[in-house]
Amino acid sequence: NAGVTQTPKFQVLKTGQSMTLQCAQDMNHNSMYWYRQDPGMGLRLIYYSASEGTTDKGEVPNGYNVSRLNKREFSLRLESAAPSQTSVYFCASSEGSAQKPYEQYFGPGTRLTVT
Amino acid sequence: DQQVKQNSPSLSVQEGRISILNCDYTNSMFDYFLWYKKYPAEGPTFLISISSIKDKNEDGRFTVFLNKSAKHLSLHIVPSQPGDSAVYFCAASARSNTGKLIFGQGTTLQVKP
Repeated sequence: NAGVTQTPKFQVLKTGQSMTLQCAQDMNHNSMYWYRQDPGMGLRLIYYSASEGTTDKGEVPNGYNVSRLNKREFSLRLESAAPSQTSVYFCASSEGSAQKPYEQYFGPGTRLTVT
Repeated sequence: DQQVKQNSPSLSVQEGRISILNCDYTNSMFDYFLWYKKYPAEGPTFLISISSIKDKNEDGRFTVFLNKSAKHLSLHIVPSQPGDSAVYFCAASARSNTGKLIFGQGTTLQVKP
């Protein structure tokens, strides 16, 4: 039981390049989330998927797109990377049940640098 | 507009003493609060939570207190251990938010041996 896995762990991009961050969970969770963490800013929600087949914008969605490929996988795409997107990206999942509506389980993160 | 605030960026305590981490919120619709712990180069891990219908929740060395009238919550760690040294984030959610969490900026706790 790996929990939430993310690939890659590290990535360096040049401005304008594109890439997709992958996330998968093996806990049969309904909801999945993408966050970015910047110094002094905490974690900010980029996009989330409450259930398979649905996605919605979070607090900072500009410059990103997402795909909920199936119940397990939720990918984050940067179409044209900018230096302001240099950050650590975390994927999370949650059961979203009435018993545990809010507890989220996080992956180890992807450290992205855009030059 | 920061709806969840952790005003102390860092805290240093001696091993065996109490650590108190504070968190304030502005949105009165929040009805569930969580604390997460994060070690360097790892993802945050869930620590403890509290529903707005309670004012205290305890789990071993960790206790969370909620003061709804002051829109304030705190995490107490007793006794503190060097392995507790990490960044602590408080987070809040509202029933209407479909499970979305709003995080504070984090407080770095250092427990000295």
